[in-house]
Amino acid sequence: QVQLVQSGAEVKKPGASVKVSCEASGYSFTNNYIHWVRQAPGQGLEWMGWINPNNGFTNYEQKFQGRLTLTRDTSTSTAYMDLSSLRSDDTAVYYCARSHSADYWGQGTLVTVSS
Amino acid sequence: QSALTQPASVSGSPGQSITISCTGTSSDVGRYNLVSWYQQYPGKAPKIIIYGVTNRPSGVSNRFSGSKSGITASLTISGLQGEDEADYYCSTYTTSMSVVVFGGGTKLTVL
Repeated sequence: QVQLVQSGAEVKKPGASVKVSCEASGYSFTNNYIHWVRQAPGQGLEWMGWINPNNGFTNYEQKFQGRLTLTRDTSTSTAYMDLSSLRSDDTAVYYCARSHSADYWGQGTLVTVSS
Repeated sequence: QSALTQPASVSGSPGQSITISCTGTSSDVGRYNLVSWYQQYPGKAPKIIIYGVTNRPSGVSNRFSGSKSGITASLTISGLQGEDEADYYCSTYTTSMSVVVFGGGTKLTVL
């Protein structure tokens, strides 16, 4: 069965970077885009960007340009989300999701940014 | 890209039907049949319940149905049950911009 398993919770200081992983299984990793979505406490879903695991091409939501880097390792079927220059308002649960319709989701990774 | 517009909350009694709207523009909802709907319980990841405007993934109850008219997509839940109480989000993928846009979410309360 399709599964996306994310890395564990992180606590970071303002200005630091965080890297969250998303390991895919149960399907061909290179055949489906991986999207990243975040959800601040008590707020709605916010799309961040996608990566095409087949060729590494990416597209980012404009507000994250310059701070967000999406990568992948096809040898381990793992996608990565790297967010830099963290601020307190980056505190959120970060999700990876498969395909443009987000048909499968990871369990979420809580990133807390606090001094 | 602006967020899609959903009502903040809807409510209904068990057995009733409710509809949640999702309004976009002629450049997103109105242009593509790529609207999806998600159900999210507190502290849990979203779960897809409708994709491609009207399609239900395997295992999703047929009490959930989707439709679209112009720039507004809709999710209808018939025969409301207590377990339907959750947050619901719509989204669409715009191939022209290659971006995803989400609605602000709707909290469904089963009275």
